[in-house]
Amino acid sequence: QQQVKQSPQSLIVQKGGISIINCAYENTAFDYFPWYQQFPGKGPALLIAIRPDVSEKKEGRFTISFNKSAKQFSLHIMDSQPGDSATYFCAPPGGSYIPTFGRGTSLIVHP
Amino acid sequence: SAVISQKPSRDICQRGTSLTIQCQVDSQVTMMFWYRQQPGQSLTLIATANQGSEATYESGFVIDKFPISRPNLTFSTLTVSNMSPEDSSIYLCSVQGAQGEKLFFGSGTQLSVL
Repeated sequence: QQQVKQSPQSLIVQKGGISIINCAYENTAFDYFPWYQQFPGKGPALLIAIRPDVSEKKEGRFTISFNKSAKQFSLHIMDSQPGDSATYFCAPPGGSYIPTFGRGTSLIVHP
Repeated sequence: SAVISQKPSRDICQRGTSLTIQCQVDSQVTMMFWYRQQPGQSLTLIATANQGSEATYESGFVIDKFPISRPNLTFSTLTVSNMSPEDSSIYLCSVQGAQGEKLFFGSGTQLSVL
């Protein structure tokens, strides 16, 4: 499987702050760039995704930014809330749409 | 969207025994995926299960250890055989959405092997 490099591994922010998670990829054939959110005891769920024809997509407090030349995409969580505390994975799909998961970022938002 | 029911949700098993995990989807799907997630780690693909054919296993996973059944388009099972403590993990089944890119996951099976 192709590699994706996700950072940071863990992140602690205060309520109301901005959380930023980054994902760098190698495979230029990727054409769908999703972020999954996983709460303890649950499977991951798609949070937000972007295609390479746009540089940014916003859904509520969640924004995904895409930099094709740098082969990177980022998740920004504005006004972070304790309920956002979860593990986040980037997972661009490759051949047969099988995704390559990043290592995950554990986000803790303090009240 | 797809709704996936996975059971059991958790189990504690003795070394040397086997556990079969069931995955039921509310719609017909071509491919089903089985993942392993070790504590605090990312998801690792074990195998892809297609109806009517043998599962395709990823490097490091073998059929004797993780036999998979896929009897129809809505159901699959994963068996973890001859378990050891190293098999303690969360096991997740997953299916693709209609366009193939988005994945839907079950809630997982948390397995502890003593």
